[in-house]
Amino acid sequence: EIVLTQSPGTLSLSPGERATLSCRASQSVSSSYLAWYQQKPGQAPRLLIYGASSRATGIPDRFSGSGSGTDFTLTISRLEPEDFAVYYCQQYGSSHGGFTFGPGTKVDIK
Amino acid sequence: QVQLQESGPGLVKPSQTLSLTCTVSGGSISSGSYYWSWIRQPAGKGLEWIGRIYTSGSTNYNPSLKSRVTISVDTSKNQFSLKLSSVTAADTAVYYCARGAALYDYWGQGTLVTVSS
Repeated sequence: EIVLTQSPGTLSLSPGERATLSCRASQSVSSSYLAWYQQKPGQAPRLLIYGASSRATGIPDRFSGSGSGTDFTLTISRLEPEDFAVYYCQQYGSSHGGFTFGPGTKVDIK
Repeated sequence: QVQLQESGPGLVKPSQTLSLTCTVSGGSISSGSYYWSWIRQPAGKGLEWIGRIYTSGSTNYNPSLKSRVTISVDTSKNQFSLKLSSVTAADTAVYYCARGAALYDYWGQGTLVTVSS
């Protein structure tokens, strides 16, 4: 099973600031099958990034993903009020052990 | 616009079977090459993939839950279902249905299932 670790657990920032979220895998994620989701309270997650760096349909270009192997990053270039939420990374390259999610990073307002 | 809606009991007794149904609207469940999945989230915690089904009936399950999970599909009703047997308090969670094999672009709103006597 691939275990994902996300850091930091909580990121306190102001609107307009840049957010950098990290996701580290316990073993290499094949073919960069790494996704990022955003979840707001009381809502289902929303797909933001897939293939480590491709934006899903309708996702603003202030969201970008990068990385490969075991280290991945989600960057929000300038935080908008609606971006304060919890962000999860997910590996989907190996179903052995399940398509695992990270524990999440909460981005809250400073 | 595809929409998914979970339904089922919100309270299940320990050792019993949790049963949920996901109704798909805005498109046929059997059109396109889609898998349909179940994911759950305990309160205040992260997401756990439960399993998936293809419209042919082919399934894959999370190894940690495999012995207790059954996912089925009813294309005539545009629905797919989850059964989780021998539940305990650890199975208390919001259960989501979603479209996708491993990447999920459409989700239901989620339904809270509490396991308690």
